[in-house]
Amino acid sequence: DTEVTQTPKHLVMGMTNKKSLKCEQHMGHRAMYWYKQKAKKPPELMFVYSYEKLSINESVPSRFSPECPNSSLLNLHLHALQPEDSALYLCASSQGRPGASYEQYFGPGTRLTVT
Amino acid sequence: GQSLEQPSEVTAVEGAIVQINCTYQTSGFYGLSWYQQHDGGAPTFLSYNALDGLEETGRFSSFLSRSDSYGYLLLQELQMKDSASYFCAERNFNKFYFGSGTKLNVKP
Repeated sequence: DTEVTQTPKHLVMGMTNKKSLKCEQHMGHRAMYWYKQKAKKPPELMFVYSYEKLSINESVPSRFSPECPNSSLLNLHLHALQPEDSALYLCASSQGRPGASYEQYFGPGTRLTVT
Repeated sequence: GQSLEQPSEVTAVEGAIVQINCTYQTSGFYGLSWYQQHDGGAPTFLSYNALDGLEETGRFSSFLSRSDSYGYLLLQELQMKDSASYFCAERNFNKFYFGSGTKLNVKP
């Protein structure tokens, strides 16, 4: 199984809502990532988890709150978002072990619209 | 984040060879990856270079010159399905920074 799954596929939320994005992989990968991608732009790194611990936060606003409950799951909790946060949110994983492949496997993404 | 430069768009015909260049900053550089992304799809991994030289995977090859802070992706025997965006991505320890992307248009 070389698949990263993400739910939901689409999400529309108001600026006062609280929602969560979910990501799952069963490849035994120990590094997991959240990226944000705007239309016709490259993916921008938001967070990196290594062995279920947050190792990188790329100065992301606190209205985005990541969580890694176990080695297979990654969540992104959303609260009080702004319309400019509308984007495709991509989850990825990689083996994350010293000397291992640095290939990242991406999920299909959640297309988020903030109204 | 880091700054990686790629051409914004390249057009080529089916069966041709195309090279997509990428220049990067050297601070904290560990390696260079290449990803393909079709419209509406997720990025898919193509290759990774940590050392100087050429890596070949089927029709795709990737090259790295650390002394020149430069790499390229070479696509041979182009097919219509290769029309997509191609991103170089710099690995900086356990972070990955993507270039702006090159849109490849393959024409019959």
